[in-house]
Amino acid sequence: KQEVTQIPAALSVPEGENLVLNCSFTDSAIYNLQWFRQDPGKGLTSLLLIQSSQREQTSGRLNASLDKSSGRSTLYIAASQPGDSATYLCAVVQGAQKLVFGQGTRLTINP
Amino acid sequence: NAGVTQTPKFQVLKTGQSMTLQCAQDMNHNSMYWYRQDPGMGLRLIYYSASEGTTDKGEVPNGYNVSRLNKREFSLRLESAAPSQTSVYFCASTQGRRGHSTDTQYFGPGTRLTVL
Repeated sequence: KQEVTQIPAALSVPEGENLVLNCSFTDSAIYNLQWFRQDPGKGLTSLLLIQSSQREQTSGRLNASLDKSSGRSTLYIAASQPGDSATYLCAVVQGAQKLVFGQGTRLTINP
Repeated sequence: NAGVTQTPKFQVLKTGQSMTLQCAQDMNHNSMYWYRQDPGMGLRLIYYSASEGTTDKGEVPNGYNVSRLNKREFSLRLESAAPSQTSVYFCASTQGRRGHSTDTQYFGPGTRLTVL
């Protein structure tokens, strides 16, 4: 059974810092890995999707990497801003496009 | 283009009552999903519909039923609600093209359900 773990569970950093969120998964047989953002009381917004054949994807200040062989992904946020405060979730996709989620990292950027 | 919509936004039920959560998408997606989100547990898949006319169980299907009414709509029914079903429920959809691993899932805003 696929298990997805995110460390740390919570992170608080001052504005302007670069930071890394971690995601690990136990079964490397995945189609892709997605990073989502969730604001309090809201739904999920897709940030980046990395196909299993790719090593990384970039969108603006966000960069996600994928190492399937080691079962790891990282989300790098450059020059963090208070608006980046949210919970970040990673999820791996297996058969029938079913997502298996990690528990999330709650990020707080302090002005 | 509203994306994925869910109704109701909030609901309080008494133990044993029944209700149906509604979900609709206007993106012409093939696949639709129901998840629940509980503190410390992340999101877990309840049921999914890979295409119109098909439904399958996910990780936590007990106590739920689903109906894929048409390509747009996918409903989740609680026949006899229990306090353990207190949660936030999310519907999602994706293009779901066979052999395509690049399809992003789009989520609705959620339904916050409390069972007393």
